[in-house]
Amino acid sequence: RKEVEQDPGPFNVPEGATVAFNCTYSNSASQSFFWYRQDCRKEPKLLMSVYSSGNEDGRFTAQLNRASQYISLLIRDSKLSDSATYLCVVNKYSGGYQKVTFGTGTKLQVIP
Amino acid sequence: SAVISQKPSRDICQRGTSLTIQCQVDSQVTMMFWYRQQPGQSLTLIATANQGSEATYESGFVIDKFPISRPNLTFSTLTVSNMSPEDSSIYLCSVVERSNTGELFFGEGSRLTVL
Repeated sequence: RKEVEQDPGPFNVPEGATVAFNCTYSNSASQSFFWYRQDCRKEPKLLMSVYSSGNEDGRFTAQLNRASQYISLLIRDSKLSDSATYLCVVNKYSGGYQKVTFGTGTKLQVIP
Repeated sequence: SAVISQKPSRDICQRGTSLTIQCQVDSQVTMMFWYRQQPGQSLTLIATANQGSEATYESGFVIDKFPISRPNLTFSTLTVSNMSPEDSSIYLCSVVERSNTGELFFGEGSRLTVL
């Protein structure tokens, strides 16, 4: 089983739609969680951190369920500019060493 | 946020040669990482570049193939040695600016094509 699993998609959604991505992780000792966005032929950039209490940033909402080892990202009112690959990222710290694991990414295409 | 410069941004190389990629950060950072992203794939960690000691390599990556230097807290190099077409990939330098948040910042990547 992969350490971080995502549905690769692609998710093709019309403008204005709401879309949700899920991510599961296998290491229960994982400590911090993020969603990154990667545009075609560009480097990944942080979209948002994911907190146990859930957090929202404009049209984006991230949720963490530690019991189920599950992370989600919800995008409301999709824009064409949201088209990208969304990477689930899981961090674990041990003895001053940080291990960062990336999911394979979920590709989103927003259609006019 | 940290600003990371990578050189070269792209290169086309012949089989059997070696290429060194440079990563310069505009601030001192404790943790620097080298990732590989093969076409259509996600990021795979090659190694953690440790300042003043040998790099820590992930499973499947060895120092002879990917020697890494980290002479100070703002600079690192990754060499891809004895290249083959399978090494064609994007190589990304990454740093953690504040270890308590865990947020990674990436360079723009070095796109390598091996013929």
